[in-house]
Amino acid sequence: ETGVTQTPRHLVMGMTNKKSLKCEQHLGHNAMYWYKQSAKKPLELMFVYSLEERVENNSVPSRFSPECPNSSHLFLHLHTLQPEDSALYLCASSQDWGRRSNYGYTFGSGTRLTVV
Amino acid sequence: KNQVEQSPQSLIILEGKNCTLQCNYTVSPFSNLRWYKQDTGRGPVSLTIMTFSENTKSNGRYTATLDADTKQSSLHITASQLSDSASYICVVSQYNAGNNRKLIWGLGTSLAVNP
Repeated sequence: ETGVTQTPRHLVMGMTNKKSLKCEQHLGHNAMYWYKQSAKKPLELMFVYSLEERVENNSVPSRFSPECPNSSHLFLHLHTLQPEDSALYLCASSQDWGRRSNYGYTFGSGTRLTVV
Repeated sequence: KNQVEQSPQSLIILEGKNCTLQCNYTVSPFSNLRWYKQDTGRGPVSLTIMTFSENTKSNGRYTATLDADTKQSSLHITASQLSDSASYICVVSQYNAGNNRKLIWGLGTSLAVNP
Protein backbone atom coordinates (compact mmCIF):
# COMPACT_ATOMS: atom_id res chain seq x y z
CA GLU A 1 0.00 0.00 0.00
CA THR A 2 1.07 3.57 -0.66
CA GLY A 3 0.29 4.95 2.79
CA VAL A 4 -3.23 5.97 1.79
CA THR A 5 -5.78 3.20 2.27
CA GLN A 6 -9.27 3.29 0.78
CA THR A 7 -12.16 0.97 1.55
CA PRO A 8 -14.05 -0.64 0.04
CA ARG A 9 -12.19 -1.29 -3.22
CA HIS A 10 -15.44 -2.00 -5.06
CA LEU A 11 -18.99 -0.92 -4.27
CA VAL A 12 -22.27 -1.56 -6.06
CA MET A 13 -25.23 0.36 -4.74
CA GLY A 14 -28.78 1.11 -5.73
CA MET A 15 -29.99 4.64 -6.23
CA THR A 16 -31.87 4.60 -2.93
CA ASN A 17 -29.01 3.23 -0.84
CA LYS A 18 -26.78 5.07 1.60
CA LYS A 19 -23.15 4.10 1.76
CA SER A 20 -19.83 5.59 2.85
CA LEU A 21 -16.34 5.51 1.42
CA LYS A 22 -13.44 5.54 3.84
CA CYS A 23 -9.92 6.88 3.45
CA GLU A 24 -7.08 6.66 5.93
CA GLN A 25 -3.58 8.07 5.58
CA HIS A 26 -0.59 7.01 7.63
CA LEU A 27 1.81 9.70 6.38
CA GLY A 28 1.23 12.52 8.83
CA HIS A 29 -0.06 14.76 6.03
CA ASN A 30 -2.15 17.84 6.76
CA ALA A 31 -4.32 17.90 3.65
CA MET A 32 -6.70 15.32 2.22
CA TYR A 33 -8.70 15.28 -1.01
CA TRP A 34 -11.53 13.47 -2.76
CA TYR A 35 -11.29 13.11 -6.54
CA LYS A 36 -13.66 11.58 -9.07
CA GLN A 37 -12.20 9.79 -12.10
CA SER A 38 -14.59 8.99 -14.95
CA ALA A 39 -13.79 7.42 -18.27
CA LYS A 40 -12.53 9.90 -20.88
CA LYS A 41 -12.50 12.76 -18.37
CA PRO A 42 -9.63 14.29 -16.41
CA LEU A 43 -9.57 13.90 -12.66
CA GLU A 44 -12.19 16.10 -11.01
CA LEU A 45 -11.46 17.60 -7.60
CA MET A 46 -14.45 17.26 -5.30
CA PHE A 47 -13.40 18.30 -1.82
CA VAL A 48 -10.28 19.49 -0.01
CA TYR A 49 -9.64 19.35 3.71
CA SER A 50 -6.71 21.14 5.30
CA LEU A 51 -6.09 20.54 9.00
CA GLU A 52 -9.55 18.97 9.23
CA GLU A 53 -11.24 22.07 7.82
CA ARG A 54 -12.99 21.95 4.46
CA VAL A 55 -11.29 24.51 2.27
CA GLU A 56 -12.67 23.64 -1.16
CA ASN A 57 -16.02 22.35 -2.34
CA ASN A 58 -16.13 22.33 -6.11
CA SER A 59 -19.84 22.51 -6.90
CA VAL A 60 -20.41 18.93 -5.91
CA PRO A 61 -24.06 17.79 -5.62
CA SER A 62 -25.34 17.48 -2.08
CA ARG A 63 -25.82 13.73 -2.51
CA PHE A 64 -22.06 13.58 -1.81
CA SER A 65 -21.24 14.58 1.76
CA PRO A 66 -17.64 14.60 3.03
CA GLU A 67 -16.53 14.22 6.62
CA CYS A 68 -13.07 14.65 8.12
CA PRO A 69 -13.13 13.69 11.81
CA ASN A 70 -9.35 14.01 12.18
CA SER A 71 -6.28 14.59 10.05
CA SER A 72 -5.86 10.89 9.29
CA HIS A 73 -9.38 9.97 8.21
CA LEU A 74 -11.68 11.14 5.47
CA PHE A 75 -15.11 9.86 4.56
CA LEU A 76 -17.42 10.38 1.62
CA HIS A 77 -21.05 9.70 2.47
CA LEU A 78 -23.24 8.77 -0.47
CA HIS A 79 -27.03 8.85 -0.75
CA THR A 80 -29.58 8.77 -3.57
CA LEU A 81 -26.88 8.59 -6.22
CA GLN A 82 -27.47 8.52 -9.96
CA PRO A 83 -26.04 6.07 -12.50
CA GLU A 84 -23.81 8.85 -13.88
CA ASP A 85 -22.09 8.94 -10.49
CA SER A 86 -20.49 5.60 -11.30
CA ALA A 87 -16.75 6.21 -11.35
CA LEU A 88 -13.47 5.60 -9.56
CA TYR A 89 -13.32 7.72 -6.40
CA LEU A 90 -9.79 8.52 -5.34
CA CYS A 91 -8.60 9.82 -2.03
CA ALA A 92 -5.29 11.64 -1.82
CA SER A 93 -3.20 13.38 0.79
CA SER A 94 -0.38 15.89 0.72
CA GLN A 95 1.97 17.33 3.31
CA ASP A 96 0.36 20.72 3.06
CA TRP A 97 -2.18 22.71 1.09
CA GLY A 98 -1.91 26.21 -0.19
CA ARG A 99 -0.50 28.55 -2.78
CA ARG A 100 3.14 28.01 -1.91
CA SER A 101 2.87 24.26 -1.59
CA ASN A 102 4.63 22.20 -4.24
CA TYR A 103 4.02 18.95 -2.43
CA GLY A 104 2.82 16.09 -4.53
CA TYR A 105 -0.16 13.97 -3.77
CA THR A 106 -0.15 10.42 -2.48
CA PHE A 107 -3.20 8.65 -3.83
CA GLY A 108 -5.05 5.64 -2.54
CA SER A 109 -6.05 2.83 -4.86
CA GLY A 110 -9.59 4.15 -5.13
CA THR A 111 -13.09 2.80 -4.75
CA ARG A 112 -14.74 1.62 -7.95
CA LEU A 113 -18.36 2.68 -7.51
CA THR A 114 -21.20 1.36 -9.64
CA VAL A 115 -24.68 2.81 -9.19
CA VAL A 116 -27.47 0.60 -10.49
CA LYS B 1 -8.84 28.71 -21.18
CA ASN B 2 -6.52 26.68 -18.95
CA GLN B 3 -5.99 23.29 -20.55
CA VAL B 4 -3.62 20.36 -20.57
CA GLU B 5 -3.53 18.24 -23.71
CA GLN B 6 -1.67 14.97 -23.97
CA SER B 7 -0.67 12.96 -27.00
CA PRO B 8 -0.92 10.34 -28.18
CA GLN B 9 -4.13 9.17 -26.56
CA SER B 10 -2.83 5.61 -26.61
CA LEU B 11 0.37 3.88 -27.62
CA ILE B 12 1.51 0.30 -28.09
CA ILE B 13 5.22 -0.55 -28.13
CA LEU B 14 7.35 -3.65 -27.88
CA GLU B 15 9.27 -4.45 -24.74
CA GLY B 16 12.73 -2.93 -24.78
CA LYS B 17 11.80 -0.05 -27.07
CA ASN B 18 11.82 3.64 -26.15
CA CYS B 19 8.88 6.01 -26.35
CA THR B 20 8.03 9.65 -25.77
CA LEU B 21 4.78 11.05 -24.47
CA GLN B 22 3.78 14.66 -25.01
CA CYS B 23 2.02 17.25 -22.85
CA ASN B 24 1.05 20.73 -24.08
CA TYR B 25 -0.51 23.22 -21.73
CA THR B 26 -2.03 26.67 -21.76
CA VAL B 27 -2.10 27.14 -17.99
CA SER B 28 -1.13 30.53 -16.64
CA PRO B 29 0.33 31.59 -14.30
CA PHE B 30 2.44 28.43 -14.22
CA SER B 31 3.65 26.93 -10.96
CA ASN B 32 4.89 23.42 -11.78
CA LEU B 33 4.21 20.36 -13.89
CA ARG B 34 4.05 16.77 -12.72
CA TRP B 35 3.90 13.44 -14.47
CA TYR B 36 1.95 10.66 -12.79
CA LYS B 37 1.82 6.95 -13.62
CA GLN B 38 -1.47 5.19 -12.99
CA ASP B 39 -1.60 1.41 -13.14
CA THR B 40 -4.95 -0.20 -13.87
CA GLY B 41 -7.04 -0.34 -10.70
CA ARG B 42 -4.63 1.88 -8.78
CA GLY B 43 -4.29 5.53 -7.91
CA PRO B 44 -1.75 7.76 -9.71
CA VAL B 45 1.84 7.77 -8.48
CA SER B 46 4.09 10.79 -8.99
CA LEU B 47 7.07 10.23 -11.29
CA THR B 48 8.60 13.68 -11.45
CA ILE B 49 7.94 17.37 -10.86
CA MET B 50 9.22 20.16 -13.09
CA THR B 51 9.41 23.78 -12.00
CA PHE B 52 9.77 26.79 -14.28
CA SER B 53 13.57 26.83 -14.23
CA GLU B 54 14.08 23.10 -14.85
CA ASN B 55 14.58 21.72 -18.35
CA THR B 56 15.25 18.05 -17.69
CA LYS B 57 14.76 15.67 -14.81
CA SER B 58 15.28 11.94 -14.67
CA ASN B 59 13.81 9.22 -12.47
CA GLY B 60 15.39 5.91 -13.44
CA ARG B 61 14.28 5.06 -16.97
CA TYR B 62 11.90 8.04 -17.02
CA THR B 63 13.15 11.42 -18.24
CA ALA B 64 10.91 14.47 -18.27
CA THR B 65 11.62 17.67 -20.16
CA LEU B 66 10.02 21.08 -19.90
CA ASP B 67 10.05 23.99 -22.33
CA ALA B 68 8.34 26.82 -20.46
CA ASP B 69 8.52 29.11 -23.49
CA THR B 70 6.52 26.81 -25.75
CA LYS B 71 4.57 25.35 -22.81
CA GLN B 72 5.45 21.80 -23.71
CA SER B 73 6.64 18.85 -21.68
CA SER B 74 7.61 15.33 -22.66
CA LEU B 75 8.13 12.09 -20.80
CA HIS B 76 10.66 9.74 -22.34
CA ILE B 77 10.71 6.09 -21.31
CA THR B 78 13.88 4.18 -22.07
CA ALA B 79 14.14 0.41 -22.54
CA SER B 80 10.49 -0.17 -21.78
CA GLN B 81 9.36 -3.02 -19.56
CA LEU B 82 6.04 -4.81 -19.30
CA SER B 83 5.47 -3.07 -15.98
CA ASP B 84 5.49 0.29 -17.77
CA SER B 85 2.03 -0.53 -19.14
CA ALA B 86 -0.13 2.13 -17.52
CA SER B 87 -1.76 5.51 -18.03
CA TYR B 88 0.60 8.48 -17.82
CA ILE B 89 -1.02 11.70 -16.70
CA CYS B 90 0.37 15.21 -16.98
CA VAL B 91 -0.88 17.78 -14.47
CA VAL B 92 -0.03 21.47 -14.33
CA SER B 93 -0.30 23.53 -11.17
CA GLN B 94 -1.62 27.07 -11.55
CA TYR B 95 -1.10 29.86 -9.08
CA ASN B 96 -4.40 31.31 -7.94
CA ALA B 97 -5.13 34.54 -6.19
CA GLY B 98 -5.49 33.77 -2.55
CA ASN B 99 -4.05 30.90 -0.59
CA ASN B 100 -4.57 28.01 -2.95
CA ARG B 101 -3.32 26.49 -6.17
CA LYS B 102 -5.34 24.81 -8.87
CA LEU B 103 -4.33 21.60 -10.61
CA ILE B 104 -5.23 21.18 -14.27
CA TRP B 105 -5.19 17.50 -15.21
CA GLY B 106 -4.67 15.99 -18.63
CA LEU B 107 -6.61 12.98 -19.88
CA GLY B 108 -3.53 10.79 -19.91
CA THR B 109 -1.77 8.58 -22.44
CA SER B 110 -2.51 4.88 -22.20
CA LEU B 111 0.70 2.93 -22.82
CA ALA B 112 0.74 -0.80 -23.52
CA VAL B 113 4.10 -2.58 -23.61
CA ASN B 114 3.87 -5.93 -25.36
CA PRO B 115 6.36 -8.80 -25.12
